[in-house]
Amino acid sequence: GQQVMQIPQYQHVQEGEDFTTYCNSSTTLSNIQWYKQRPGGHPVFLIQLVKSGEVKKQKRLTFQFGEAKKNSSLHITATQTTDVGTYFCAGRGVTGGGNKLTFGTGTQLKVEL
Amino acid sequence: DAGVIQSPRHEVTEMGQEVTLRCKPISGHNSLFWYRQTMMRGLELLIYFNNNVPIDDSGMPEDRFSAKMPNASFSTLKIQPSEPRDSAVYFCASSLQGQTNYGYTFGSGTRLTVV
Repeated sequence: GQQVMQIPQYQHVQEGEDFTTYCNSSTTLSNIQWYKQRPGGHPVFLIQLVKSGEVKKQKRLTFQFGEAKKNSSLHITATQTTDVGTYFCAGRGVTGGGNKLTFGTGTQLKVEL
Repeated sequence: DAGVIQSPRHEVTEMGQEVTLRCKPISGHNSLFWYRQTMMRGLELLIYFNNNVPIDDSGMPEDRFSAKMPNASFSTLKIQPSEPRDSAVYFCASSLQGQTNYGYTFGSGTRLTVV
């Protein structure tokens, strides 16, 4: 079945440093979504990417979808303590699957002052 | 909208007991998902419904797990009998299939501990 891996699994940064998490799918995706889960909380939808090579920005967050639609990245510029949490990518397969998303393994971000 | 509502928030039960988790999706959403989250296995899709019909239950661990969606505003996930390895956070999520740029809305989850 479809597998979605993320690296790194954990990342500790000093406040103000940049952060990037990478997402790789074993199969081609029709679209990819990103979610953030705060400690003790639930995943919250951030954004969806659909087109090959698409880049979207949300303030300090930059999301990219690979040309082959099998990988994606999330980059945070100048991290803040409010960025703490686990970031998940989630992909929808090209064939079948309907509305089903396969979530990645997640990257846990810790930001130290 | 109050969002996706799950109950109970926490459940502690003894091994062998029946456990029922409940979910009320967002009004108007036509897809509902049950996920389980553990440190070891991450977020696993257990089952999902579209228009109250189960579409994919390939993630349901075994016959001890069952899920129902009797109407568009309510779903249950039942574990009978429960085992310690079922301890996890169970999330319900809903979405509107066919709507572009529409992510899942997750409930706050039920933390299940089986002792």
